[in-house]
Amino acid sequence: GAVVSQHPSWVICKSGTSVKIECRSLDFQATTMFWYRQFPKQSLMLMATSNEGSKATYEQGVEKDKFLINHASLTLSTLTVTSAHPEDSSFYICSARPGSPATQYFGPGTRLLVL
Amino acid sequence: GENVEQHPSTLSVQEGDSAVIKCTYSDSASNYFPWYKQELGKRPQLIIDIRSNVGEKKDQRIAVTLNKTAKHFSLHITETQPEDSAVYFCAASNDMRFGAGTRLTVKP
Repeated sequence: GAVVSQHPSWVICKSGTSVKIECRSLDFQATTMFWYRQFPKQSLMLMATSNEGSKATYEQGVEKDKFLINHASLTLSTLTVTSAHPEDSSFYICSARPGSPATQYFGPGTRLLVL
Repeated sequence: GENVEQHPSTLSVQEGDSAVIKCTYSDSASNYFPWYKQELGKRPQLIIDIRSNVGEKKDQRIAVTLNKTAKHFSLHITETQPEDSAVYFCAASNDMRFGAGTRLTVKP
């Protein structure tokens, strides 16, 4: 099946710093990538949808200036958590989809801990 | 966007029994319905999906049924095994919002 990688797998940072997470589709071109946040024992909450070469579409309640998304190529999307705070600590997971409607493939996730 | 509701939130069954998880959706234009399994600390994995032009799809012990009129679809797992224990998520349409999830526990 299709492979999606995510880097880093975990990160610990100080409050106020920015953290960048990369999501790559390794063996297919992803026209659309999704970013989710998952708190312990909760569902996957969609944060934003990004299409290559255009601005991301953010879900209601997600601050676009805090969670910067760049989908610069058909195989790479990045999520930058700016000025991170302890409440941003979570499991961030991306997914990529080659077309629509089509199966989406998930990355392994990034566990972020903000101290 | 699509609104997906999933029930039950937790489900405990004895090994060998069947398990059924149901989801309802709001947008009648939705045409793609996947089910994902997520084990603790791991990424969700697609286990089965169905498109709106069929009413049922089966893959060994797993099946999905779709009722477009009522706007609901269900995951059926037969002959459950302890390794089926996980959280299962449904989604509808292309904007990929997930249901709240069902924690399935299969007791040996």
